[in-house]
Amino acid sequence: AQSVTQLGSHVSVSEGALVLLRCNYSSSVPPYLFWYVQYPNQGLQLLLKYTSAATLVKGINGFEAEFKKSETSFHLTKPSAHMSDAAEYFCAVSASGGSQGNLIFGKGTKLSVKP
Amino acid sequence: KAGVTQTPRYLIKTRGQQVTLSCSPISGHRSVSWYQQTPGQGLQFLFEYFSETQRNKGNFPGRFSGRQFSNSRSEMNVSTLELGDSALYLCASTDREANTIYFGEGSWLTVV
Repeated sequence: AQSVTQLGSHVSVSEGALVLLRCNYSSSVPPYLFWYVQYPNQGLQLLLKYTSAATLVKGINGFEAEFKKSETSFHLTKPSAHMSDAAEYFCAVSASGGSQGNLIFGKGTKLSVKP
Repeated sequence: KAGVTQTPRYLIKTRGQQVTLSCSPISGHRSVSWYQQTPGQGLQFLFEYFSETQRNKGNFPGRFSGRQFSNSRSEMNVSTLELGDSALYLCASTDREANTIYFGEGSWLTVV
């Protein structure tokens, strides 16, 4: 069965610093992986997705993630944090069995950005 | 293109009542999924519908049900509400060709 582990429930960085949010997955089949962002009192916004086309995936708002099969990781990075990046970030893997709408989510990482 | 639309956005119900939440997917998307988000359990999959048929169901009691109409709009219903059902309920619309899932703003349910 698929699973997702996000290391660190809270991450705090200074404005302009590197953002690194960690995600490890477990999957018995080649996974589809996603990062979503959730701002307070809002739904989930798709940042980027991995669907086996390229291991380095670029998303919106300057975020990118690298799929590393050997490490079963899909960490999210951004070179320079902005105050507007403060939000909760969720990593997700598509469940097997042909159900495309069934995502398994990590517990989330809340990102704080200090001025 | 309009996004995923969920109604109502906020509602308060009393224990024992039932509630119906509505979701309109992105135009052209025929797959709709529902998720429950709580601080304790995080994001959990409820069920998925495609072409009016339930394709998959998460580990929730039978009090949680859903349906999809011919225009792809979906509703979910929770009967005999419990305090623990207080949560953000998110609807998602799937672009099956691009394997991309888009979420709505959610419906905040408070059970008192």
